[in-house]
Parts: sequence; structure tokens; C-alpha cells
Amino acid sequence: KQEVTQIPAALSVPEGENLVLNCSFTDSAIYNLQWFRQDPGKGLTSLLLIQSSQREQTSGRLNASLDKSSGRSTLYIAASQPGDSATYLCALNPGTGGTSYGKLTFGQGTILTVHP
Amino acid sequence: EAQVTQNPRYLITVTGKKLTVTCSQNMNHEYMSWYRQDPGLGLRQIYYSMNVEVTDKGDVPEGYKVSRKEKRNFPLILESPSPNQTSLYFCASSLYAGSTGYNEQFFGPGTRLTVL
Repeated sequence: KQEVTQIPAALSVPEGENLVLNCSFTDSAIYNLQWFRQDPGKGLTSLLLIQSSQREQTSGRLNASLDKSSGRSTLYIAASQPGDSATYLCALNPGTGGTSYGKLTFGQGTILTVHP
Repeated sequence: EAQVTQNPRYLITVTGKKLTVTCSQNMNHEYMSWYRQDPGLGLRQIYYSMNVEVTDKGDVPEGYKVSRKEKRNFPLILESPSPNQTSLYFCASSLYAGSTGYNEQFFGPGTRLTVL
């Protein structure tokens, strides 16, 4: 059974810092990996999706990498801002095989606080 | 605007009173899914649907029913709600991407349900 772990559970940084959020998983047979942002009491906003065949994806100040062999993904946030404060979740899609399609297995999330 | 909508956003009900939470997407997505989010347990999948009239159980289906009569709608039904179903519920949808791995999932804003 796929297990997804996110470290650290919480992170507090001053504005302007570059930071890295980590996501590790136990089964490398994945279809894709998606990073989400969740603001308190709100829904999930998709940030980046990395297909199984890709190594990284970039969107603005965000860069996500994927290393299937080591079971790791990282989300890099450059020049952090107070508006980046949220919970960041990684989620794995385990594969195309029949009933597993589309089923996301989520990590517990990293709560990020960026203070001015 | 491409989106997933859920109704109601907030609901307080009593044990045993049947309720339905609606979910609708306007992106012509084949795949739809329901998750619940609980503190300390993260997001867990309840049911999913690969297409019209095709549904299957996720990780925590007990106490829930779903139907997929139209492509855009995927209602979640609680026939006899109990207090342990108090949770934050999310609906999600995505395209069927075949072998490409590009099936980015889009989430609704969430429904906060309290069962007394």
C-alpha cells in the first residue's frame, strides 16, 4: 500500500527566503504526482503536476521535482511571500490499471507560515 | 469559468436524516471523485466514477452512496448520517488522460458537514 509522508509538518520562515518542502513515497510505480495548496477552510488549488516520465515542472516561483527511484518529490518556493502561507499537500496517482486510475493518495501536508 | 461546484457549502443536520451533497463540473471530465478530510487523517477517497454509470468504492465508502447519471454531476448521498460522518467533503474531477499521465485533478470548494 502506497504511503506518502511530508516533512516538515510545519515550517515558519521570514519573507524572502527560498524554501523546500519534501514529499516521500513508498511505491515508485506512480502515474503522476500533484502538488496542491490549501488555505484554511478552503478547497485545494492545484499548483503543479509531474507526469511519471518527467523530472520537474516549473510555474512562476514554484519548482517541483520528482525522483521515482528514491521515492521523493520536492517543492521549491523561491523568494517566499506572506501570501504563500498555506498548507501544501502532495498527492500521488498510483497508475492506470483499472480501478486505481485517478485515485489520489495524499500526504498529511506541510503547514507553511511566511512572516513579514 | 472552468470549475467544480458543490452545494451546500455548509450543512448542519441530525442523525438519521437523509441528505445529498451535489457536485457539478463544467469541464466535460470523465473522472469524478469524493474525498473527506479529517484532522490527523488527511484526505481519504470515498467513491469515484470513471464515467457515466460507472462508479466504485474508494477507501472509506461505508455509509455513503453515489450515482453518476450525467457526466457533469456526481452527487454524494448519506442515507442515514451519523456523527462520525462530520467532516469536510471535497469533490474532484479530471479528464481521462490514458497513458499520458496528465490527468490534473480539480477540486471543488468543499462542503462542511456537521451531524448532531
